[in-house]
Amino acid sequence: DIQMTQSPSSLSASVGDRVTITCRAGQHIANYLNWYQQKPGKAPKVLMYDASTLQSGVPSRFSGSGYGTEFTLTISSLQPEDFATYYCQQNYNIAQLTFGGGTKVEIK
Amino acid sequence: QVQLQESGPGLVKPSQTLSLTCTVSGDSISSGHYYWSWIRQPAGKEPEWIGRIHARETPTYNPSLKSRVTISLDTSKNQFSLRLSSVTAADTGIYYCAREDLVLLPASAYYYYGLDVWGQGTTVSVSS
Repeated sequence: DIQMTQSPSSLSASVGDRVTITCRAGQHIANYLNWYQQKPGKAPKVLMYDASTLQSGVPSRFSGSGYGTEFTLTISSLQPEDFATYYCQQNYNIAQLTFGGGTKVEIK
Repeated sequence: QVQLQESGPGLVKPSQTLSLTCTVSGDSISSGHYYWSWIRQPAGKEPEWIGRIHARETPTYNPSLKSRVTISLDTSKNQFSLRLSSVTAADTGIYYCAREDLVLLPASAYYYYGLDVWGQGTTVSVSS
C-alpha cells in the first residue's frame, strides 16, 4: 500500500494566521490526492481533489499544491470554524485508498 | 439532498461477524452514477478505506481486509451492506458509509473527486 505521512501531527494557531500542512507520499502519486477536514464527532468532509481543486462550496482561503510525492494544504487566514483535523488521501492506487495520519489544528 | 445512515449492532463478540447496513436517501444506488463505500476509523486514528461497490460492477476490497469483507447491494431497499468476519478488538471503531465520486474512463483511466457524502457513522465495539 501507499504510505501517506503528514506533518506536523498537530499545530496551534490563532485566528487570522496562515497555516500550512504537509503530506508526503511513499511513492509517486502524480496529483491523485484529496484533502479532508474532520471536526470532532463528525464524519470527514472532502475539501479538495486533484491536489489543488476545491470542492464546490469550500472557501477560497483553502488552497492546495504539490505533485509527485510532496503536497501542501494552506489556509490563508485561519477562521474559528477551521479548527479541525485535516487528512490527505491518495487515490493513485484506486483499489487501496490510504489516508495520512492527520494534522490537528488547535487554537493557540 | 443525499443522505446516508448506518445501522447495525454496536457490540460484536470476538470471532463473530460484524454486519452493518447503509440506507441511502435522495439518490438511487442502482442508477450507476456513483460508487458506495465503507470506511472505518479507530479512535484517535486516521480513516481506513474498507471497500466499495457499484450497481454494475463487482466490489473492490482493501487487500488488507479482503479475506474477511463482503459488501453487497440491496437495490430494492436502496441499501448497501458490510459484513466483516472473524472480528477482533482491532476492528473496534467508528464505521462510516459514504458515496464515492469516481468516474471510470477507457484504458484503465479514471477521474476521482473523493468521498463526497458521508453517513454520521456508527460505533462498533468488539468485546466479549
